Amino acid sequence: NAGVTQTPKFRVLKTGQSMTLLCAQDMNHEYMYWYRQDPGMGLRLIHYSVGEGTTAKGEVPDGYNVSRLKKQNFLLGLESAAPSQTSVYFCASNRGTSGTEAFFGQGTRLTVV
Amino acid sequence: AQSVTQLDSQVPVFEEAPVELRCNYSSSVSVYLFWYVQYPNQGLQLLLKYLSGSTLVKGINGFEAEFNKSQTSFHLRKPSVHISDTAEYFCAVSPPGGGGNKLTFGTGTQLKVEL
Repeated sequence: NAGVTQTPKFRVLKTGQSMTLLCAQDMNHEYMYWYRQDPGMGLRLIHYSVGEGTTAKGEVPDGYNVSRLKKQNFLLGLESAAPSQTSVYFCASNRGTSGTEAFFGQGTRLTVV
Repeated sequence: AQSVTQLDSQVPVFEEAPVELRCNYSSSVSVYLFWYVQYPNQGLQLLLKYLSGSTLVKGINGFEAEFNKSQTSFHLRKPSVHISDTAEYFCAVSPPGGGGNKLTFGTGTQLKVEL
């Protein structure tokens, strides 16, 4: 029973490098989300998706792109990493019904040097 | 737009003592309310939620929370904490009916239970 799986768990990037974070869920959830967690700031929504082939901007979308080509996967891309993107990234998913529980992955700790 | 305020960034408490973690929210529309817990180096998991009905909701691990509409609060309580309750606790809101079920989180409260 995997739930929400994030790959990789840790990564160090140099400024200007690119990378893709992968989120996979096996619960057949419609909605998926990417959050970043920074000390003293809680979790902030980067992008989200309400279904396969759809994406939308969240609170802090600048510098990130996403894609949801398959229902079970939600990819977060950084085209040109900056030190300000050093953070812990969490993926989450839930059913499309209002008020349902969101299930979170274990996080990806990204450091940009 | 919604916002969530958790005034206490850290709450130290002795084992078996009661604890209350405070949460206030602001919204121009009605919202659903949640408490999530994050244990060290893990993702978040749901403790409890309020959608409608009884204002006192019970969650896992002996936690409960009370929704107070007039004070726009949703404080989390536990009558007797255990060492294993040491974690970070997040209050969150989401708009009912559409909007992508997006959660808006508070800044979190670190609960540290000491012997």
